[in-house]
Amino acid sequence: GDSVTQMEGPVTLSEEAFLTINCTYTATGYPSLFWYVQYPGEGLQLLLKATKADDKGSNKGFEATYRKETTSFHLEKGSVQVSDSAVYFCALNPGGNKLVFGAGTILRVKS
Amino acid sequence: KAGVTQTPRYLIKTRGQQVTLSCSPISGHRSVSWYQQTPGQGLQFLFEYFSETQRNKGNFPGRFSGRQFSNSRSEMNVSTLELGDSALYLCASSLDRGFGANVLTFGAGSRLTVL
Repeated sequence: GDSVTQMEGPVTLSEEAFLTINCTYTATGYPSLFWYVQYPGEGLQLLLKATKADDKGSNKGFEATYRKETTSFHLEKGSVQVSDSAVYFCALNPGGNKLVFGAGTILRVKS
Repeated sequence: KAGVTQTPRYLIKTRGQQVTLSCSPISGHRSVSWYQQTPGQGLQFLFEYFSETQRNKGNFPGRFSGRQFSNSRSEMNVSTLELGDSALYLCASSLDRGFGANVLTFGAGSRLTVL
C-alpha cells in the first residue's frame, strides 16, 4: 500500500543553519506530494506541494523537489529561524482527497 | 474568509459513551475529510465526504461514522468510546475532488480525551 517515511527527529539546529528533512514514499501511480507544518496547539498548514515528477514546490524559503527516480521529496531551507520550530509532515495523495502522512519530524531551532 | 471551524475544541468523555464532532468547511468547499492524530499511530485518514456521500474510508472500525449535510457541514460520530480513541480529530476541507492536486485546508481540531 501507499506509505511515507520521514527521518526521525527531533532535529535540533541553531538559527541560520541549513535544514534538510528527508522524505521517501511508496505508491502506485504518480501521487501528488505535500509538506504540511503543525505549530503547537494548531492544526496542519500546507507548506508546499508538487504534483508531478521534477516539480519544485516552494514557500517561505522552504523548497522540495519531486524525485520520481528516488521516490523522494526532501524538504530544505537555507537558513532556519526560531519561528520555524514546529512539526513537519510529508504526505502523498493517491487520489480523491485522502492524504497518507509520514510520522512527522519535530524541528527545534535554538537562538 | 473564515477557515475550517471545528467544534468542540476540547471534550472529555468516559468509556462506553458516544461523541459527535462537528466541522464547518470553508465557504464554497464541497469536500470534507477527517483524520485522527495520536502519538502512537500518527495521522490516519478516517473518511472523506463529497456531495453528502462518503467517497473513501480508512481502516477504522464501524464505531466511527460520519455524514455530510447539504450545506457541506460534516459531523463524525464515535460510539462506545474506548481509551484508545483519545486523540486529536482533524477535519479538512477542499474545494473539489479532483485527482490528487487539491489543497486540503485543516481546522484546529477537536481534542477528545476518553477516561
